[in-house]
Amino acid sequence: EVELVESGGGLVQPGGSLRLSCEASGFTFSSYSMYWVRQAPGKGLEWVSYISSGSSSIYYADSVKGRFTISRDNAKNSLFLQMNSLRAEDTAVYYCARETTTVDWGQGTLVTVSS
Amino acid sequence: DIQMTQSPSTLSASVGDRVTITCRASQTISSWLAWYQQKPGKAPKLLIYKASSLESGVPSRFSGSGSGTEFTLTISSLQPDDFATYYCQHYNSYLWTFGHGTKVEIK
Repeated sequence: EVELVESGGGLVQPGGSLRLSCEASGFTFSSYSMYWVRQAPGKGLEWVSYISSGSSSIYYADSVKGRFTISRDNAKNSLFLQMNSLRAEDTAVYYCARETTTVDWGQGTLVTVSS
Repeated sequence: DIQMTQSPSTLSASVGDRVTITCRASQTISSWLAWYQQKPGKAPKLLIYKASSLESGVPSRFSGSGSGTEFTLTISSLQPDDFATYYCQHYNSYLWTFGHGTKVEIK
């Protein structure tokens, strides 16, 4: 069974940093592209970033470009999102996800940016 | 970037009603469309993938149709557990795009 478990969320001050992790199991992690998606409180779903299976292709939403860095460790079946220069508008639940012919999602981790 | 326009934004319906939600893509996306149900505090739950394929374990009252730019999600007979927010999503791209959501409320 495919499982994606996010961790690393929490409360951080504006301008601070946070690193999210997503641990994958139940499939060959190194064969799949991975995504981060976020959802601000009471708002819709927003694509944040994409990384290909071998990390050769990486893309970001304009709203996080230059501040967030996606990476992965295929040996440890893990996906990461390094978030720097955080702003109040980055407050959201962050989900990692895998795309096949369907889409698998984790349960999300809450990031709150507030002083 | 492909834009997904979902309508209506809110829908009031009664138990037993037939409900239809529409999603329109700004350019053709073949059948690379998914539908989700989301309840407060929960992750999105996949209902339909590739426009019309029912995810395992999802009740058969949910169905999806369409291809190209026009897609619909239909709930044939609304049940109490179906009151939630529904999203469409274009995938099979490095850049996923989502509709803004349809909240299905009790009439």
